[in-house]
Amino acid sequence: EVQLVESGGDLVQPGGSLRLSCAVSGFTVSSKYMSWVRQAPGIGLEWVSVIYSGGRTYYADSVKGRFTISRDNSKNTLYLQMNSLRAEDTAVYYCARDAVGAYFDYWGQGTLVTVSS
Amino acid sequence: QSALTQPASVSGSPGQSITISCTGTSSDVGGYNYVSWYQQHPGKAPKLMIYDVSNRPSGVSNRFSGSKSGNTASLTISGLQAEDEAEYYCNSFTSTSTRVFGTGTKVTVL
Repeated sequence: EVQLVESGGDLVQPGGSLRLSCAVSGFTVSSKYMSWVRQAPGIGLEWVSVIYSGGRTYYADSVKGRFTISRDNSKNTLYLQMNSLRAEDTAVYYCARDAVGAYFDYWGQGTLVTVSS
Repeated sequence: QSALTQPASVSGSPGQSITISCTGTSSDVGGYNYVSWYQQHPGKAPKLMIYDVSNRPSGVSNRFSGSKSGNTASLTISGLQAEDEAEYYCNSFTSTSTRVFGTGTKVTVL
C-alpha cells in the first residue's frame, strides 16, 4: 500500500527556516518524480517543486532561491528545505507522487507551516 | 507561471451534467496532453480524478470525463450527485517543466 506521511510543519518567524519531511512507503522515492504542493488557508492549490528520478529539480518562481527539494534514498524520504520564510509561505504543504505526465496520483495528508511573528 | 483560469463556481441539480473549464496558454494546456483534474473536499487532501486530459484512474466513477480543445481543458460531471459537491482544480505541465494549477472551482449540488 502506498503511503506518504509529511512532518515538520511548525510556527516560524519571518526570515526563519524549516525543513519538511515526507516519509514514503509502498514504492521507492528515487525511482519516481516527487512534488511538493501547498495550499494557503482558504486559497487554492499551488505547485511548489518537483524532483525527478534522475535528480533534476524545478521550482515555482515564488520559492526559487529560497526552497530546496531533496531526497534521502536510504530513508525513502523526500524533503523540502525552506529558508527566508515569508508570511505568504503560510500554508498546508503536501507531498505528492508526480507521475509521468505530471499528474499527482498519491498525496500525503499535509503538514501546516505558519510564518508569523 | 500564472495560474490557469477556472470559473469560481458551478452549480447543478442532482442528475444534471455540469462542465468546468480550465484555460491556459500554448505553453501549458495547449502545448501538452498533460492536463489533470483533482477533487478536494474540505479539510482533505486532493484526489486525482482525470489524468492526461481524459484518462480516469481506477476507482473513479465514469461520470467524470475530461477533454481539451486548444488552450482550454474541460471536466464534465454527468449524473451529478450530492457527494460531488467539492472544490475542483485542474493542473498542467508547462514548457519550463514546472506544473501549474488552476484557480479552483466550487461545485455546488442544488
